Amino acid sequence: GAGVSQSPSNKVTEKGKDVELRCDPISGHTALYWYRQSLGQGLEFLIYFQGNSAPDKSGLPSDRFSAERTGGSVSTLTIQRTQQEDSAVYLCASSPDRAADTQYFGPGTRLTVL
Amino acid sequence: AQSVAQPEDQVNVAEGNPLTVKCTYSVSGNPYLFWYVQYPNRGLQFLLKYITGDNLVKGSYGFEAEFNKSQTSFHLKKPSALVSDSALYFCAVRADRGSTLGRLYFGRGTQLTVWP
Repeated sequence: GAGVSQSPSNKVTEKGKDVELRCDPISGHTALYWYRQSLGQGLEFLIYFQGNSAPDKSGLPSDRFSAERTGGSVSTLTIQRTQQEDSAVYLCASSPDRAADTQYFGPGTRLTVL
Repeated sequence: AQSVAQPEDQVNVAEGNPLTVKCTYSVSGNPYLFWYVQYPNRGLQFLLKYITGDNLVKGSYGFEAEFNKSQTSFHLKKPSALVSDSALYFCAVRADRGSTLGRLYFGRGTQLTVWP
């Protein structure tokens, strides 16, 4: 079946611009996660959505970052007023609703802020 | 707090030899442990996980990992390495309870190179 998809695959933007990154989880998965992968910081958790519960936003690095999940499916990660340190690969994952379940990752969006 | 350590940035082995990629963890409660592999310009691909039960877990592509509770380790192993196994390997842990229930904590990654 279809895996997690993300768009765009690459995004180049200028410092100060806003960007939106999209994630389509595996159908039927109720949990959705965003992570960031960068050379200096490795893989960092950003945010976690589980069904209709309030999301765990504790990993978002600043108030310039926000995410929403509409209709319990597609998610959008928005970065406002981008900075050069935001350059990274943004990975989305989804899983069924149990804590022991495997998280399946999308291919990522490579964000470059000039 | 949860954390994972992968003490080796790089592991180099000859094709046909056994390989081990090391991982130790720290977690509140019982650990859920995972190994992922990443090929260049690709996302993370799930290899195997330990939740409960047998300490030796078998996964994709002939990989296995051994959970050792006393040493808080979850080393990845393969009896006979292939050149195609060359990639970046990540160990991850997830708590089975608490406020951080949803998230995976990753190690820094180990670059495995298998030469012909």
